[in-house]
Amino acid sequence: QVQLQESGPGLVKPSETLSLTCTVSGGSISNSYWSWIRKPPGKGLEWIGYIDFTGGTNHNPSLDSRVTISLDTSKNQFSLKLSSVTAADTALYYCARVRNLYDLGMDVWGQGTMVTVSS
Amino acid sequence: DIQMTQSPSSLSASVGDRVTITCRASQDINKFLNWYQHKPGKAPHLLISDASNLESGVPSRFSGSGSGTDFTLTITNLQTEDFATYYCQQYDNLLTFGGGTKLEIK
Repeated sequence: QVQLQESGPGLVKPSETLSLTCTVSGGSISNSYWSWIRKPPGKGLEWIGYIDFTGGTNHNPSLDSRVTISLDTSKNQFSLKLSSVTAADTALYYCARVRNLYDLGMDVWGQGTMVTVSS
Repeated sequence: DIQMTQSPSSLSASVGDRVTITCRASQDINKFLNWYQHKPGKAPHLLISDASNLESGVPSRFSGSGSGTDFTLTITNLQTEDFATYYCQQYDNLLTFGGGTKLEIK
């Protein structure tokens, strides 16, 4: 059974880069697509982006070019980098598996990791 | 960009009730819509895909319908474990979540 676990710093300074990693266990990262989603306090879910097993990515246009998602098949991990962060990027960040390209359903999720942007 | 608007944003109901949550897309998205349930402290859970396909293990009291721009999630015979926030998510063009509907106990 596939499980996901997010990891990374819980506190990031404004203007710096937020970096998170999602470790996939119980299955190969090369078999699916993988996504990042966040939930700011008091707000709803926001899709950040996803990466496919070839390393191809798509991301939320509202985040402009600040988002980088990458894959490390040797470690069975994928990562998120979000540059030039502000307080608005404070959120609970989730990684998730996108089970197929037919319905883009995210069927396995990590438990989430809270990231606060503050000096 | 496709915008997804859910209504109501919050809803109070009692155990045993029937509730309906609406999701409207800013443009035609065919049936390319999923529904998720999200409880505090837990990861979101995929309930329904392709507007009306119930995920394995999801109780039959949940149902989804709609196509084009208007969609609904209906829960009949509400149970205590159903009180949560529900999100629609389109996948016609990239992915967008609706703003969420918080279902609370009356």
